[in-house]
Amino acid sequence: KAGVTQTPRYLIKTRGQQVTLSCSPISGHRSVSWYQQTPGQGLQFLFEYFSETQRNKGNFPGRFSGRQFSNSRSEMNVSTLELGDSALYLCASSLDPGQKAFFGQGTRLTVV
Amino acid sequence: GESVGLHLPTLSVQEGDNSIINCAYSNSASDYFIWYKQESGKGPQFIIDIRSNMDKRQGQRVTVLLNKTVKHLSLQIAATQPGDSAVYFCAETSNDYKLSFGAGTTVTVRA
Repeated sequence: KAGVTQTPRYLIKTRGQQVTLSCSPISGHRSVSWYQQTPGQGLQFLFEYFSETQRNKGNFPGRFSGRQFSNSRSEMNVSTLELGDSALYLCASSLDPGQKAFFGQGTRLTVV
Repeated sequence: GESVGLHLPTLSVQEGDNSIINCAYSNSASDYFIWYKQESGKGPQFIIDIRSNMDKRQGQRVTVLLNKTVKHLSLQIAATQPGDSAVYFCAETSNDYKLSFGAGTTVTVRA
């Protein structure tokens, strides 16, 4: 069974631009969560989706948004990119909320 | 806010020895805990989990111990191998379903 797939793996963007990252969960998994990982802040929760609804959101500005589609695939969007948004963005999926979560390889975003 | 933390940022272990990685959490409402292993350039890999109604769970070469009284979690790795070198994170969640991660412990296995 394929794992969590994130695309693209690497991305370089310029300040002020916007970016969309994609996540395909493990087949059958309905809950998708997003995390930001940086050397200084560690792994920080961004948001969680279940049945196309955002059920929980971390402490990030409104520039960070996401959505989930009917097939459970999810995207996250960051608008007006800042240098500090450079990070590894990780997606995790689980069968249902509160169950064991499996991570993808992440998208490495560099803002220049 | 509530946070999950690891006692030591680094751990150096002789190959073949047992490793113990510790984690303290502060949210008394936490009821589900997961250990992850992250190798360089990869996403966190699920190792083992435990719910708050248990105090011990064993997997292949790994054991997780949970002490709810002192809000402490540990991961024991038996017969540590070079492939065990990685950063290990504990994570906890309560009824809000978001995972809160500790800062991580970097384990280095000496040959």
